[in-house]
Amino acid sequence: DAGITQSPRHKVTETGTPVTLRCHQTENHRYMYWYRQDPGHGLRLIHYSYGVKDTDKGEVSDGYSVSRSKTEDFLLTLESATSSQTSVYFCAISVQDRGGTGELFFGEGSRLTVL
Amino acid sequence: AQTVTQSQPEMSVQEAETVTLSCTYDTSESDYYLFWYKQPPSRQMILVIRQEAYKQQNATENRFSVNFQKAAKSFSLKISDSQLGDAAMYFCAYRSPRFVYMRFGAGTRLTVKP
Repeated sequence: DAGITQSPRHKVTETGTPVTLRCHQTENHRYMYWYRQDPGHGLRLIHYSYGVKDTDKGEVSDGYSVSRSKTEDFLLTLESATSSQTSVYFCAISVQDRGGTGELFFGEGSRLTVL
Repeated sequence: AQTVTQSQPEMSVQEAETVTLSCTYDTSESDYYLFWYKQPPSRQMILVIRQEAYKQQNATENRFSVNFQKAAKSFSLKISDSQLGDAAMYFCAYRSPRFVYMRFGAGTRLTVKP
C-alpha cells in the first residue's frame, strides 16, 4: 500500500462544467503523475509533478491543468469538461531513489463520465 | 519518442497451463527499465515484474517470468500454471532513465478458463 487516495472515485458531470480530481499521498514522495486510461490506448500521461509548484505536461495535456501547492496533494482540473474526457483517471507516485527503477504505485482510479 | 506495442488485445489460457504475452518497444537508448503491470477487475494497478535493460538475466517472480530480448526490443511475459486470479488486463511499460515518467502499451486482456 503506497498510501495514495483519489477523490472522487466516481463522478458524472455535464459538458462545460469544471471538474477537479484530487490525489493525496501520505509518504512525501517527490514525483506524482496523472494518467488517463482509455480502451485501446492503455494509460497515457496527462501531467506530472516533480515538487511543490513544479509541474510539466505529458502527452495528452490539452484541456487539463494541474496544481501542487503541498507535497502530499496533486490536483487535476478540467476547466470545461468535454465528452472526450470521459475516462478513468489514475494518480501515481514513484520513488526516484538513486539506483531505483522508478516503478509507479497507483491510486485506485477515478471514473469520470461527461454527459 | 519511445513507443510500446502490445499486439495481442486479448488472450485466453486454460487454468494450470502457460501463456505468453507479447510486448515490443521502440527506443534508441541502451539503458532503460521495463515493467509489466496487472489490472484485475478491481481496477487497481499492480506491478508484476520489472527488468533493467543492463541486466542480462531475465527477471522472475514466482509464476511470472520475462523473456527480455534487448536486440529485438522484445519483453514478453510468461505466466506459468495459470490461475483464475490471473485474469486481468496486463500492461507493458517502458521508462527511460532520462525521464521521470513511464510509457504504457495498450494492454492485453487475459482470460483464464476453468
